[in-house]
Amino acid sequence: SQKIEQNSEALNIQEGKTATLTCNYTNYSPAYLQWYRQDPGRGPVFLLLIRENEKEKRKERLKVTFDTTLKQSLFHITASQPADSATYLCAPHRSGGYNKLIFGAGTRLAVHP
Amino acid sequence: SQTIHQWPATLVQPVGSPLSLECTVEGTSNPNLYWYRQAAGRGLQLLFYSVGIGQISSEVPQNLSASRPQDRQFILSSKKLLLSDSGFYLCAWSQRGSNQPQHFGDGTRLSIL
Repeated sequence: SQKIEQNSEALNIQEGKTATLTCNYTNYSPAYLQWYRQDPGRGPVFLLLIRENEKEKRKERLKVTFDTTLKQSLFHITASQPADSATYLCAPHRSGGYNKLIFGAGTRLAVHP
Repeated sequence: SQTIHQWPATLVQPVGSPLSLECTVEGTSNPNLYWYRQAAGRGLQLLFYSVGIGQISSEVPQNLSASRPQDRQFILSSKKLLLSDSGFYLCAWSQRGSNQPQHFGDGTRLSIL
């Protein structure tokens, strides 16, 4: 069955450093991969979508890579700020299928001043 | 712009009581609609999705049901709640088609006593 793995342990980093979060998937071949941010007690918020033919995508301080050979996506936040502290979820998915997403459990990021 | 409303924000119900959670979307038409449940510290589990009025697909067998009486209204129900129904329930919408971002409401925290 499809499996998505994100680091279950929280990632603690110092303000100003680059945070790197990992999303690994097995047993399927997604055509797209989405990243979301979730704050405590709130719904997830969409951040970025990357397609399988895109190796890298950027949005302001965010950068996402998608390696279909390694079956892995990396999510980077450069010049991190305490306001970036949240849980980040990845959702690799195929084309079609009524846009149903399967989410990873997420990695909690804590940025310390 | 599009908005999604979900209520109530918190709910405490006794075992065996009925449930009705409502979600409405504004500013778009013919959206795909989704209900998710998130257990504490866990990922999102897709419960139901809908691609049109009266069209409901269930992802997991359970004590819950969903209905879509209007294009932008999605309701999650139960006739008799179980302790295991406790959790954080999230409604989301997306545009039709694949690889569309999903937009979430702020969720309902449901506690069963």
